[in-house]
Amino acid sequence: AQSVTQPDIHITVSEGASLELRCNYSYGATPYLFWYVQSPGQGLQLLLKYFSGDTLVQGIKGFEAEFKRSQSSFNLRKPSVHWSDAAEYFCAVGPKTSYDKVIFGPGTSLSVIP
Amino acid sequence: EAQVTQNPRYLITVTGKKLTVTCSQNMNHEYMSWYRQDPGLGLRQIYYSMNVEVTDKGDVPEGYKVSRKEKRNFPLILESPSPNQTSLYFCASSPTGTSGGLNTQYFGPGTRLTVL
Repeated sequence: AQSVTQPDIHITVSEGASLELRCNYSYGATPYLFWYVQSPGQGLQLLLKYFSGDTLVQGIKGFEAEFKRSQSSFNLRKPSVHWSDAAEYFCAVGPKTSYDKVIFGPGTSLSVIP
Repeated sequence: EAQVTQNPRYLITVTGKKLTVTCSQNMNHEYMSWYRQDPGLGLRQIYYSMNVEVTDKGDVPEGYKVSRKEKRNFPLILESPSPNQTSLYFCASSPTGTSGGLNTQYFGPGTRLTVL
């Protein structure tokens, strides 16, 4: 069955510390991979996406993610977290060859301590 | 400005009273979709549409209807709302084409619905 898991429901980090949010997926073929961020009271904004090529992708707001095919993972990282990064983060997967449903993970809530 | 708009943003209603949540995009996207977001469950797809007059069920379509008469609009209809439809709803659209456009979704701001 197709699924996306985000093992950490909630993470708290100190401002300036590094961050890694985990994402694992189960899919029939290598899908398109996405990370979205949802700030409080806002809609979802695309942080970055992976389609092919270099497995380390750069996104907005200083985020990056690394695709590891052997681990079916697409973890999100940031070297130094800012207080404004406090939000809900969603990993998602979608097929490469058709308009089919995108599957979202349950989300990881990030809190940032000053 | 390229955007997806939803109305209303907040709605409190009573069981059984029909309601419509509108969604409109100005990016000429073919693909549009509705999701509901519930704590611990992430986003679950309700319905999606690949083009005008083409709609299909997502994971949780029960109790909802949609229509796609125009490319830019994709309203969500609750004929007889029930309390278990209390949720945060998002509309999204996707561009066509290659180079990673497929399935890159642009989201509206959300509609918080409470059914009493």
